[in-house]
Amino acid sequence: GAGVSQSPSNKVTEKGKDVELRCDPISGHTALYWYRQSLGQGLEFLIYFQGNSAPDKSGLPSDRFSAERTGGSVSTLTIQRTQQEDSAVYLCASSQDRVQPQHFGDGTRLSIL
Amino acid sequence: KQEVTQIPAALSVPEGENLVLNCSFTDSAIYNLQWFRQDPGKGLTSLLLIQSSQREQTSGRLNASLDKSSGRSTLYIAASQPGDSATYLCAAFNSGGSNYKLTFGKGTLLTVNP
Repeated sequence: GAGVSQSPSNKVTEKGKDVELRCDPISGHTALYWYRQSLGQGLEFLIYFQGNSAPDKSGLPSDRFSAERTGGSVSTLTIQRTQQEDSAVYLCASSQDRVQPQHFGDGTRLSIL
Repeated sequence: KQEVTQIPAALSVPEGENLVLNCSFTDSAIYNLQWFRQDPGKGLTSLLLIQSSQREQTSGRLNASLDKSSGRSTLYIAASQPGDSATYLCAAFNSGGSNYKLTFGKGTLLTVNP
């Protein structure tokens, strides 16, 4: 079956623009996670969805970051007024439920010029 | 707050050697611990998952151990091959309340030389 799919795979944009990153989880997976991987910082948790609700948004670095999930499936991570420090690889993961192993997509590499 | 540390940060070995990667975590109340592999430009591939009640897991040439009380895990790779070259990440999973997330170490970059 299909794994976690993320799009775009690469995104280059100018500072100050808004960007949207998409995640298609494995069908039937109720839990969905966003992580960010930056040089020197390692992999950091951003937000967790159970169904369409987000019980834990504690990792979002600022109010420029938001995420939503619709229909218990696709999720979109939005970054407004991008800054250079937002450059990173954004990884999405899904799991059957919140305590099952997480399956990761290949990520979106975001570069802010 | 959970913190995960991996040692060494990088390791270079000749083909055929057995090797050990180390991981330590500060909060022993974990639900499970996972080892992942990451190839350049790719996502994470899960290698082994050890539940908090388990002591070790094995898959092929890989063996992972867990000592929850001391906050340590090791990944043992037997008879290393050039294809094992990658970054290996350790992640502790904590659960409870609204908190369900993996906390990652910064990884060990492994190079196996032919």
